[in-house]
Amino acid sequence: QQQVKQSPQSLIVQKGGISIINCAYENTAFDYFPWYQQFPGKGPALLIAIRPDVSEKKEGRFTISFNKSAKQFSLHIMDSQPGDSATYFCAAKKGDGSGNTGKLIFGQGTTLQVKP
Amino acid sequence: DTGVSQDPRHKITKRGQNVTFRCDPISEHNRLYWYRQTLGQGPEFLTYFQNEAQLEKSRLLSDRFSAERPKGSFSTLEIQRTEQGDSAMYLCASSPHSSRGWTQYFGPGTRLLVL
Repeated sequence: QQQVKQSPQSLIVQKGGISIINCAYENTAFDYFPWYQQFPGKGPALLIAIRPDVSEKKEGRFTISFNKSAKQFSLHIMDSQPGDSATYFCAAKKGDGSGNTGKLIFGQGTTLQVKP
Repeated sequence: DTGVSQDPRHKITKRGQNVTFRCDPISEHNRLYWYRQTLGQGPEFLTYFQNEAQLEKSRLLSDRFSAERPKGSFSTLEIQRTEQGDSAMYLCASSPHSSRGWTQYFGPGTRLLVL
């Protein structure tokens, strides 16, 4: 059972363009939604994260848009650069409560290529 | 650098052998996670430690897998009688106490190849 579904699987964008990656979730108990960036041979690194009490969060060129009613969230990369070429993962965590350990449930990943 | 470190970075072994991986979390992070990542997939949760206590294990963690965090600092993940299906990247992540947020910081991973 895939609790977090991510699309597209791959994405090609021209330098300076906007990259958009989408995720959908099923479990309304999720309360924390991070995005991770991973380069080949490296571990994932946190890019930006959001909680469901806000609809948007922006950090530099990276923005998360969150739609609680639709159970969807997306990552927007503005002015995409060749150095942004990597694999991006969305994830979700269940809220605090009995037995909740903070484990992350990851999407399947999106491989982004930014062409110069 | 005081990030999460993992050792070894790569391991090639023959089917049936035992392997052990080590993770050193960020100092003072009391929460430690192990994940497994296969090619083209997102990381999948394996197990969680809060200090030295192992509080959750995924059903992915068969009885051939065992993890420890004996003094609440570093952790080890052992795979006994390795199978070709165990070939994957094994990632460790650490996180501070929940009162200080939920960010998980990942190590570089140990890539395992079982021949």
